[in-house]
Amino acid sequence: AQKVTQAQTEISVVEKEDVTLDCVYETRDTTYYLFWYKQPPSGELVFLIRRNSFDEQNEISGRYSWNFQKSTSSFNFTITASQVVDSAVYFCALSEENDYKLSFGAGTTVTVRA
Amino acid sequence: GAGVSQSPRYKVAKRGQDVALRCDPISGHVSLFWYQQALGQGPEFLTYFQNEAQLDKSGLPSDRFFAERPEGSVSTLKIQRTQQEDSAVYLCASSHHQGPSYEQYFGPGTRLTVT
Repeated sequence: AQKVTQAQTEISVVEKEDVTLDCVYETRDTTYYLFWYKQPPSGELVFLIRRNSFDEQNEISGRYSWNFQKSTSSFNFTITASQVVDSAVYFCALSEENDYKLSFGAGTTVTVRA
Repeated sequence: GAGVSQSPRYKVAKRGQDVALRCDPISGHVSLFWYQQALGQGPEFLTYFQNEAQLDKSGLPSDRFFAERPEGSVSTLKIQRTQQEDSAVYLCASSHHQGPSYEQYFGPGTRLTVT
């Protein structure tokens, strides 16, 4: 069963628009960890953020912000005032308490046009 | 500092050939992971090492896939008798600690094409 669902396959925006990427996860564990990674055209996955299941505080880092809602099993990611350099594939991932591996969603391709 | 490195970056193999993919993790990282990423998909877990011990190989798709990390640093993923369905990007990741809560740092991947 798919543990992480990213329903948006592709999003295209014009520079300076905001873009929100949806992530819905499924787990029976009470302790789990959620991650976002960026995969630019070069191919290397870049770590962006980690949240644990006990910390529902939203987080902001520069133009990036994350909204974690346990009630809806969602961990959404917003890029504010997008830039061309934000063009990449973004992956949401889950790891569970007694499992070391990351379970990834299928990714959302973001294209920011100048 | 140096990140995770992988070699070769690209590999073309004829069906039936054996291949070996190398991963150099970040120095001192205890945990090492291999993932397989098909075109247009997210990475899928293959196997996990804690130091030299292979603790989980549940994601290896068949007995043609074999991974080792004999001295707890460099790791090699070997695929015997390659098939076309093995074509993918193979990603290696390492983590400083053991446990599910720590971020994994990824290498650039090896793109394997089986013809």
